[in-house]
Amino acid sequence: EAGVTQFPSHSVIEKGQTVTLRCDPISGHDNLYWYRRVMGKEIKFLLHFVKESKQDESGMPNNRFLAERTGGTYSTLKVQPAELEDSGVYFCASSQRAAGGYTFGSGTRLTVV
Amino acid sequence: RKEVEQDPGPFNVPEGATVAFNCTYSNSASQSFFWYRQDCRKEPKLLMSVYSSGNEDGRFTAQLNRASQYISLLIRDSKLSDSATYLCGIAGGTSYGKLTFGQGTILTVHP
Repeated sequence: EAGVTQFPSHSVIEKGQTVTLRCDPISGHDNLYWYRRVMGKEIKFLLHFVKESKQDESGMPNNRFLAERTGGTYSTLKVQPAELEDSGVYFCASSQRAAGGYTFGSGTRLTVV
Repeated sequence: RKEVEQDPGPFNVPEGATVAFNCTYSNSASQSFFWYRQDCRKEPKLLMSVYSSGNEDGRFTAQLNRASQYISLLIRDSKLSDSATYLCGIAGGTSYGKLTFGQGTILTVHP
């Protein structure tokens, strides 16, 4: 079974630019989550999709972040325009049940300079 | 006060030792509890769920104490390969899908 796949693995962009992260969940997993880990801090929730619907987006920092999951398959997380404080590792995770343990992807390490 | 708190450690133990970590949570409505393991610069990997009755998986035992609002992870007969950061993740209340993680406890097992 293929795991959760994230692309790119690394991204270095300048402040003000746009970056789009992609996540392909495990096939059949309706629940998809985005999390972020800023250096030295704990992993923080961003949002939760159930199929194509946003179940909970309470963790999205501001309106520079836009997540989509068209068709209920893969998801994208766009940051526009990027700021220095957006740097960190963005993890995607998926699960069959909402309250079940997740499988995480290997993350996208974003550096904004 | 943070929603989920862990002692960051580091815990440095010799091979063969028994080590235990706790994770406290503030939301009494929490429903689901998990331990994850994270190796350096890797993603967290689910180690085990934590059930009310306690559960064991080989050398690992997880317990839940709802009255005192904490979960624990006990590792027996530590191996060098157990060296990692151990994260607790807790879900519940109105956002049942969302996990809130602690900062993680660093474990180093030495020869």
